[in-house]
Amino acid sequence: QKEVEQNSGPLSVPEGAIASLNCTYSDRVSQSFFWYRQYSGKSPELIMSIYSNGDKEDGRFTAQLNKASQYVSLLIRDSQPSDSATYLCAALSNFGNEKLTFGTGTRLTIIP
Amino acid sequence: GAVVSQHPSWVICKSGTSVKIECRSLDFQATTMFWYRQFPKQSLMLMATSNEGSKATYEQGVEKDKFLINHASLTLSTLTVTSAHPEDSSFYICSALSGTGGYEQYFGPGTRLTVT
Repeated sequence: QKEVEQNSGPLSVPEGAIASLNCTYSDRVSQSFFWYRQYSGKSPELIMSIYSNGDKEDGRFTAQLNKASQYVSLLIRDSQPSDSATYLCAALSNFGNEKLTFGTGTRLTIIP
Repeated sequence: GAVVSQHPSWVICKSGTSVKIECRSLDFQATTMFWYRQFPKQSLMLMATSNEGSKATYEQGVEKDKFLINHASLTLSTLTVTSAHPEDSSFYICSALSGTGGYEQYFGPGTRLTVT
């Protein structure tokens, strides 16, 4: 069973709309969560980190965490064509293990 | 802040030779760095965790004698692919754990290795 699951997509969203990316995790001890953006042929880039239940906003990005339901989401407002990329969700257990467990990623395409 | 560099960005080598890839944290000290490999259209695969001053911890199935990791300082980790073969051709990416007390990992730009 995968520890971090994402819908592989592709997810197509019109330019200017809200893109919603979801992620679920199975390990209840996971405490820290991250969203990375990866353009084709490039390395991942950290977009957001979230540690507590609730919402965390940074510019056009909002990360949401619900530990009771074991899901994390990323909302991208006013989507731009430059947001087209693969978005990776990652979980970290803080109990002495600093390795990230990545989902397989969701490919997002913003349609002009 | 939190910039990680890698060198070289791409390399072509002949089968049987060794290649060294450097990973540097430019504006922070990283006691822990990670090495990943990614094949086209596939997920990141963690190869090993590199801790400054100690031996690297390799993931299951990764040959430690083939992929030599040295983390000699708080800003530099190196990965040497020994006796490279065409199947080692891949995108190698390092990341560094932020030194701010948080758990963010920042990735280098990656090294594309082609073994002919």
